[in-house]
Amino acid sequence: GAVVSQHPSRVICKSGTSVKIECRSLDFQATTMFWYRQFPKQSLMLMATSNEGSKATYEQGVEKDKFLINHASLTLSTLTVTSAHPEDSSFYICSARVGPNNEQFFGPGTRLTVL
Amino acid sequence: SQQGEEDPQALSIQEGENATMNCSYKTSINNLQWYRQNSGRGLVHLILIRSNEREKHSGRLRVTLDTSKKSSSLLITASRAADTASYFCATTGFQKLVFGTGTRLLVSP
Repeated sequence: GAVVSQHPSRVICKSGTSVKIECRSLDFQATTMFWYRQFPKQSLMLMATSNEGSKATYEQGVEKDKFLINHASLTLSTLTVTSAHPEDSSFYICSARVGPNNEQFFGPGTRLTVL
Repeated sequence: SQQGEEDPQALSIQEGENATMNCSYKTSINNLQWYRQNSGRGLVHLILIRSNEREKHSGRLRVTLDTSKKSSSLLITASRAADTASYFCATTGFQKLVFGTGTRLLVSP
């Protein structure tokens, strides 16, 4: 199946710093990628849809200036958490859509801890 | 919220037993998918069932779909300790996946 990677897998940062998370499709091109966040023992909540070459579409309640998304190529989307605060600590997961059935392949996730 | 609900929220069984998880959703769908997530890891796609299908099999997995009741079930037969994980259903609406609340399955040796 299609492989999606994320980097870094884990990051710890101080409050007020910005953190960039990369999502790559390794063996296919993805015009659409998705970013989710997941709190402990909870489900995945969609944050935004990332489209190559255009602005991301954010879900209601997600601050676009806080969570910057750039889909610069068909294999790379980045999520930057700006001025991170402890409440931004979470598990961030990206996925890439493949095929006509909206089948999505997920990255391994990035654990962000903001001190 | 379009998020579906799954029950049970948690399920503990012994190896060799069958595990059944249920998912209910709220809107019309094109298809429904089941995913597994090991603790602290990404999601693994298990199976997709289209809205015009009623049952689908893949190895030890059996998925049913009842669109009239807006519900689906995932059956894992002859469970193994390695099946311990969280299981999520996800429906496709407006080109986006909407995840259920998940079932945490614990399979004891």
